[in-house]
Amino acid sequence: EPEVTQTPSHQVTQMGQEVILRCVPISNHLYFYWYRQILGQKVEFLVSFYNNEISEKSEIFDDQFSVERPDGSNFTLKIRSTKLEDSAMYFCASSEGVGAFTNTDTQYFGPGTRLTVL
Amino acid sequence: QKEVEQNSGPLSVPEGAIASLNCTYSDRGSQSFFWYRQYSGKSPELIMFIYSNGDKEDGRFTAQLNKASQYVSLLIRDSQPSDSATYLCAVSMDTGRRALTFGSGTRLQVQP
Repeated sequence: EPEVTQTPSHQVTQMGQEVILRCVPISNHLYFYWYRQILGQKVEFLVSFYNNEISEKSEIFDDQFSVERPDGSNFTLKIRSTKLEDSAMYFCASSEGVGAFTNTDTQYFGPGTRLTVL
Repeated sequence: QKEVEQNSGPLSVPEGAIASLNCTYSDRGSQSFFWYRQYSGKSPELIMFIYSNGDKEDGRFTAQLNKASQYVSLLIRDSQPSDSATYLCAVSMDTGRRALTFGSGTRLQVQP
């Protein structure tokens, strides 16, 4: 069964450093997403991406964040200058998104990258 | 602030019983409702979605939606110890938006 994959599974970085989290969405899916989950808290939406551009973003997704689809399979989240509060599990998700919006467009999540900022 | 509320639990049920998980949401314009299961340290795993009022059944799972009351629930029949997890309610709040707003989840414990 096709699945979303993410690398690395765990990333440790120093405050102020840049990190890039990588995702390979399900191959025939057109919409890609990043969510994060701080330990013990809710899953929070960051951004969605379609047709090589951001389609939605949350207030969390400020100028220190960026997303990119550098090739036909990868989808990346870059955090430019990490802060302690960026420590969280980051989930990539994808959905088929075929045609116009359908309210049954289900999102499938990858296993996550645990980001620890020291 | 558009919210999705769930009782954090834990909800403890004996093996073989029916577990009932509830979720309320604040935005009347909400379109789609999803139930995810999350084991500790793992990612959300889709169980089912519902977007029309009424019941929707899939195996041991039944989702129920009442848009007038802004209420969605998940019933798990014949609960198994392997069902022990946190159940997340997620809502797509506005027409045309795909971003999901998650509740904080209900922890379910199925006692053998």
